[in-house]
Amino acid sequence: DAKTTQPNSMESNEEEPVHLPCNHSTISGTDYIHWYRQLPSQGPEYVIHGLTSNVNNRMASLAIAEDRKSSTLILHRATLRDAAVYYCILENSGGSNYKLTFGKGTLLTVNP
Amino acid sequence: EAQVTQNPRYLITVTGKKLTVTCSQNMNHEYMSWYRQDPGLGLRQIYYSMNVEVTDKGDVPEGYKVSRKEKRNFPLILESPSPNQTSLYFCASSPLGVMETQYFGPGTRLLVL
Repeated sequence: DAKTTQPNSMESNEEEPVHLPCNHSTISGTDYIHWYRQLPSQGPEYVIHGLTSNVNNRMASLAIAEDRKSSTLILHRATLRDAAVYYCILENSGGSNYKLTFGKGTLLTVNP
Repeated sequence: EAQVTQNPRYLITVTGKKLTVTCSQNMNHEYMSWYRQDPGLGLRQIYYSMNVEVTDKGDVPEGYKVSRKEKRNFPLILESPSPNQTSLYFCASSPLGVMETQYFGPGTRLLVL
């Protein structure tokens, strides 16, 4: 399976933007880039996904490098409720079993 | 409210005592899956189901059983639990053909003594 590399932890201040990086140098042409987050004592929650182009939704933006070997999740204005572990995941679009393989993720701390 | 529910949320049991963790979703999703989350190992898939009466093994199926008699329910059965099945378990569901979103339940923390 394709691997992702993320920093173990990051810190941000409330109301400031946060850029969470992810390296995936072994990505293949059919791999989608997904981001999920896991708040304390909760199940993982979908954040955003993309293939080649940058993506925006109500929660965040996803910036994908031109060579697709890295991506960045952008939270435009961090709130205390954004404190969570953020997972960058690669998923192949082929096959019939859709499973998610979570790595260690980045623990985001948001300071008031 | 669209959701995946799991019961129980917490369970302490002893080795060998059969138990069932229930999972139910109200979104009419075809796909359902069970994961376990352990420190340092991330989430690993146990079993999944593409639709009613269709189930298949994930990466770590040993010691577990599942059934999918109805679309909304996907119970996880531990016939003879062992201490190495102490873990945090998550059920998830997704509409087929839509890769972007899996909806996860709140988790069931299991301790096997």
